[in-house]
Amino acid sequence: QKEVEQDPGPLSVPEGAIVSLNCTYSNSAFQYFMWYRQYSRKGPELLMYTYSSGNKEDGRFTAQVDKSSKYISLFIRDSQPSDSATYLCASSIYNQGGKLIFGQGTELSVKP
Amino acid sequence: DVKVTQSSRYLVKRTGEKVFLECVQDMDHENMFWYRQDPGLGLRLIYFSYDVKMKEKGDIPEGYSVSREKKERFSLILESASTNQTSMYLCASEGGREKLFFGSGTQLSVL
Repeated sequence: QKEVEQDPGPLSVPEGAIVSLNCTYSNSAFQYFMWYRQYSRKGPELLMYTYSSGNKEDGRFTAQVDKSSKYISLFIRDSQPSDSATYLCASSIYNQGGKLIFGQGTELSVKP
Repeated sequence: DVKVTQSSRYLVKRTGEKVFLECVQDMDHENMFWYRQDPGLGLRLIYFSYDVKMKEKGDIPEGYSVSREKKERFSLILESASTNQTSMYLCASEGGREKLFFGSGTQLSVL
């Protein structure tokens, strides 16, 4: 079993829809939870960052961590065609110096 | 803004060639990483370095080596390229609190 599991999709939604992207993890020692966005033929860019559990909101994006169920979520409100990308979740235990465990990535397409 | 620059966006090499992939970061980060990314397999860690002249094996180091002679530069070396090393290669540096900053990637094709 992989430490971080993510449904690879692809996921296709109409413009304006609410998107829910999810990951599960197995290591209860994980403290850092991140979402990266990767456009086609580009490197991943850090989108959302959470330490420990709870919610974090940034504009149309909300990241949620439920440590009791080991579940990581990213919600995108009012999705736009420019949100079409692959979204990668990643986790780490404390003080790993950047040695993250990545999910497989979910490919999202937002249709106009 | 953090900038991680990978020297080539696309590279085509022949089987058996020695291949160098270069990565430079401009933020004085100590920790640097090399990943490869393949469809269905996600990102896999090849090597990482926590300091100049230091290197640590990641999950898939076989067939690769690295060099870190200066803090800002981390090179990935394919000693004798093989077709199964055709992949997207991503370099990253860590900006504190586990935050990774990636380069744009090098799409390597080995024929």
